Amino acid sequence: DAMVIQNPRYQVTQFGKPVTLSCSQTLNHNVMYWYQQKSSQAPKLLFHYYDKDFNNEADTPDNFQSRRPNTFFCFLDIRSPGLGDAAMYLCATSRDMGGIYEKLFFGSGTQLSVL
Amino acid sequence: KQEVTQIPAALSVPEGENLVLNCSFTDSAIYNLQWFRQDPGKGLTSLLLIQSSQREQTSGRLNASLDKSSGRSTLYIAASQPGDSATYLCAVYTGGFKTIFGAGTRLFVKA
Repeated sequence: DAMVIQNPRYQVTQFGKPVTLSCSQTLNHNVMYWYQQKSSQAPKLLFHYYDKDFNNEADTPDNFQSRRPNTFFCFLDIRSPGLGDAAMYLCATSRDMGGIYEKLFFGSGTQLSVL
Repeated sequence: KQEVTQIPAALSVPEGENLVLNCSFTDSAIYNLQWFRQDPGKGLTSLLLIQSSQREQTSGRLNASLDKSSGRSTLYIAASQPGDSATYLCAVYTGGFKTIFGAGTRLFVKA
């Protein structure tokens, strides 16, 4: 039944060791997003894909990259995680480029710990 | 720059009480406003979406209102239950794939 699926639910990595988080969707939505949420803070948009077009937010660190090989999958790569990158990473989708009807659909998130 | 604020940051009420959560935003140029629920360590579940031309939306015991000109929205929860305990976030869609979130109100409903 899950429409936006994130794996794994919990990820532990070592300082500086590359890590990849994955997201898949069954909604056939055009847009996929990655948000970072630190404890008790608002989710912060890192980047989005509109179909194959990639858009990086201006303040997203260079350490973060993303891949979308097809409509259904999107990956978040953190090249050299620092302690400050420990957070919940949320994947979301929306049907198209937005408007008054546009809703965001979220996965269950991946909680990343950096040791 | 759009900013979204939710006050209070935390709220504790006894079971059965009706309650109101508040959300304010600084720029009235929005397409819609969504209310989400987030359980501890989980993702966000959409509760209600109010289009910019609408004044309110209802779903079960939830009612959300929007006053775009004053930059305010409220989420009314009727007859609260312990299962309503969660963090409630509001978010405004400003176009260009930008949804701006508040930090949420953490609600605890005591049995």
